[in-house]
Amino acid sequence: ETGVTQTPRHLVMGMTNKKSLKCEQHLGHNAMYWYKQSAKKPLELMFVYSLEERVENNSVPSRFSPECPNSSHLFLHLHTLQPEDSALYLCASSGVAGFNEQFFGPGTRLTVL
Amino acid sequence: GENVEQHPSTLSVQEGDSAVIKCTYSDSASNYFPWYKQELGKRPQLIIDIRSNVGEKKDQRIAVTLNKTAKHFSLHITETQPEDSAVYFCAAIRGSYKLIFGSGTRLLVRP
Repeated sequence: ETGVTQTPRHLVMGMTNKKSLKCEQHLGHNAMYWYKQSAKKPLELMFVYSLEERVENNSVPSRFSPECPNSSHLFLHLHTLQPEDSALYLCASSGVAGFNEQFFGPGTRLTVL
Repeated sequence: GENVEQHPSTLSVQEGDSAVIKCTYSDSASNYFPWYKQELGKRPQLIIDIRSNVGEKKDQRIAVTLNKTAKHFSLHITETQPEDSAVYFCAAIRGSYKLIFGSGTRLLVRP
């Protein structure tokens, strides 16, 4: 549809689990983003990668670890999460970081038990 | 710190009426202001954006105005239709990469 895909779409994990979220963009973009969307809170930017280099780390706890192996793929590695980390995690990409339209993926609905 | 305030949090209008959503921002260096629409269960999608060298921009039934002096910008939807029902987010850019989003406005268009 928009060229940004995310897997899995839903994830339930315990606090001791380790899991990874995957994002892939087919738009030839150079920048990729992770956002957290919680109920009744604004979209929160977590990480920004531009040309595979992390350019923004928005004071995110170390239990979230991003990885960008190439300009088309972005991962978010999760370990020892807390119940308050339950949210919708959205990936986005843009041609040039910041000034161009950001295309969002469908998101991963994460529940931490 | 960086902050974008958005009002109202919910808005209900009759089909055919206009809807206005307002945002204020705190960082005077911000120079790009997009608006996103998020339908229930779907991803946010850009509907219109404006840059600081422009005061107003229109695209069919949608318009955005920007007042840099007052640091506020607004989304105007005319002749609303039921399919306009969604959550709308404003945002302001900080630096080259960081979009600061408002808390969203849930718009309901009553048929």
